[in-house]
Amino acid sequence: EDKVVQSPLSLVVHEGDTVTLNCSYEVTNFRSLLWYKQEKKAPTFLFMLTSSGIEKKSGRLSSILDKKELFSILNITATQTGDSAVYLCAASKETSGSRLTFGEGTQLTVNP
Amino acid sequence: EAGVAQSPRYKIIEKRQSVAFWCNPISGHATLYWYQQILGQGPKLLIQFQNNGVVDDSQLPKDRFSAERLKGVDSTLKIQPAKLEDSAVYLCASSLGLSPLHFGNGTRLTVT
Repeated sequence: EDKVVQSPLSLVVHEGDTVTLNCSYEVTNFRSLLWYKQEKKAPTFLFMLTSSGIEKKSGRLSSILDKKELFSILNITATQTGDSAVYLCAASKETSGSRLTFGEGTQLTVNP
Repeated sequence: EAGVAQSPRYKIIEKRQSVAFWCNPISGHATLYWYQQILGQGPKLLIQFQNNGVVDDSQLPKDRFSAERLKGVDSTLKIQPAKLEDSAVYLCASSLGLSPLHFGNGTRLTVT
């Protein structure tokens, strides 16, 4: 059975801290790894990673995939209170189009 | 572009009652998904449609859940009869080809 595991499940930091969120996966016919941010409403797309070792960056957020060790990390530098959210990691398969298997999520709380 | 629309936003019902949720995907998106997200967990796929055909409903509890997408656009998800453990957020998502999923804001169901 395909599995996506995130750690930690919960994290509390102060504004300005840097955080690293982890995601490991065991997925047959793996195609890509996606990160989403979920506040009170819909998960919003952050990154899609298909190639190993290539960092994707958007402002203070960055992410990288290691297809040999089967994991990805999401880094957030200089955190702000607006970064408080659940961060979801998900994997897609070559044989399933855009269908995603999600991890449990990491609840990030950034205190002022 | 307009996002994925879902209604209602909230629904409270008693156990054994029935309920229906509606989803309108992004225009042109052929693939539509229903996910169930229980509090504190990641989204779990219930059903995937490609146009008006079902691609995967292996995790749909078919004794009580049903879904349709008759004209290949809007979709409805029904629960009949509801159980306490059905309390969750029901997320609809759509995609075009292999692009990342776009999610609606979800319907929060509480079964008492």
